[in-house]
This record gives sequence, structure tokens and C-alpha cells, in this order.
Amino acid sequence: KQEVTQIPAALSVPEGENLVLNCSFTDSAIYNLQWFRQDPGKGLTSLLLIQSSQREQTSGRLNASLDKSSGRSTLYIAASQPGDSATYLCAVWEGNNRLAFGKGNQVVVIP
Amino acid sequence: GAGVSQSPRYKVAKRGQDVALRCDPISGHVSLFWYQQALGQGPEFLTYFQNEAQLDKSGLPSDRFFAERPEGSVSTLKIQRTQQEDSAVYLCASSQGTEAFFGQGTRLTVV
Repeated sequence: KQEVTQIPAALSVPEGENLVLNCSFTDSAIYNLQWFRQDPGKGLTSLLLIQSSQREQTSGRLNASLDKSSGRSTLYIAASQPGDSATYLCAVWEGNNRLAFGKGNQVVVIP
Repeated sequence: GAGVSQSPRYKVAKRGQDVALRCDPISGHVSLFWYQQALGQGPEFLTYFQNEAQLDKSGLPSDRFFAERPEGSVSTLKIQRTQQEDSAVYLCASSQGTEAFFGQGTRLTVV
């Protein structure tokens, strides 16, 4: 069974600092990997999708890398803002019919 | 519609009551997923549909849980004889390919 781990579970950073969120998975035979954002009491918003053949994906201040051989993905958020405060979830596609999630990185950006 | 829609947003049920949770996926999306998210945890897979066919129900925690998608569009997750441990947020997602889009979720509280 695929196990997805996110470290650290929670972190606080001052506004303007870069954020680095780590995700590791046990089975490297993944299909794709997706990063989500979840605000309190809300659903999940898709941030980035990395295809299994890709090494990274970028959208604005967000950049996600994927290293399948080592079972790792990293989400970088440049120049963090208070509006970036949320929980960030990493999810690995197992085939095309199931996402396996980590428990999330809970981020607080301090103004 | 523009996104995945779930109803109701909140449901309080007395222990032993039956509940039905509805999901309207993005129009034209073939795949539909249900997930359960306990407080402070990542979402856990419940079941997967491709059109009207339920191809994977291995995540349903007991035979009190039942899901259907009779016409390949709207889906209903039914929980019979609810118990306190069923209290969670139930998330629905749809996809066309391997990028999933989630609804806002239904928060179920069993009292």
C-alpha cells in the first residue's frame, strides 16, 4: 500500500520568506502527483499536477519538483504572503483511479 | 456546472439515522471519487466510479456505506445506521484524466 508522508506537519514563517514543503512516498511506480491547498472548513483546491514523466511544474510563485526514483516531491512557495496560510496536501495517483494523500503541511505566514 | 458541487454542506444526524450525501461532478467528467477526511488527517479513499460503474469500493469502511451513480453523472453516498465514528468530512472529486477536482465537502456530525 502506498504511504505518503509530509514533513513538517506544521510550520510558521514570517511574510516574505520562501516556503519549502516536503512530500515522500513509498512506491515509486506512481502515475502522477498532485498538490492541493485546503483552507479551514473548505474543500481541496488543485495547485499543481506533475505528470510522472515530468520533473517539475510551475505556476506563478509555486514550483513543485518530482523525483520518482527517490520517492520525493517538494513544493516551493516564493515570497510567502499571509494569504498563503492554509494546509497543503500532497497526493499520489495510483493508476488513474485512486489518490493516496499525506496528512498535510499546515502553514501559517506571519504578517 | 463550473465545479464539483456537494450537498448538504453540513449534516447533523442522530446515531442510528440514515443519511444521504449528494455529489454533482463537473459536466462530462467520467471519473468520480468519494473520500472521507477525519479531523487533522488527509483524505482517505472510499470508492471510485467510471461513468455508472463502481469499479473500486475497497475503501468503504463497512457494509453500512453504499454509493451509487446510476446515470453516470450525479452520485449519492448513503450511510445507514450512522455511528459516532462516521463523523467526518466527506469529499467528492471528479476527473477527466488524472487531475482531480474536489467539491467543498459535506461535514457530517453524528450525535
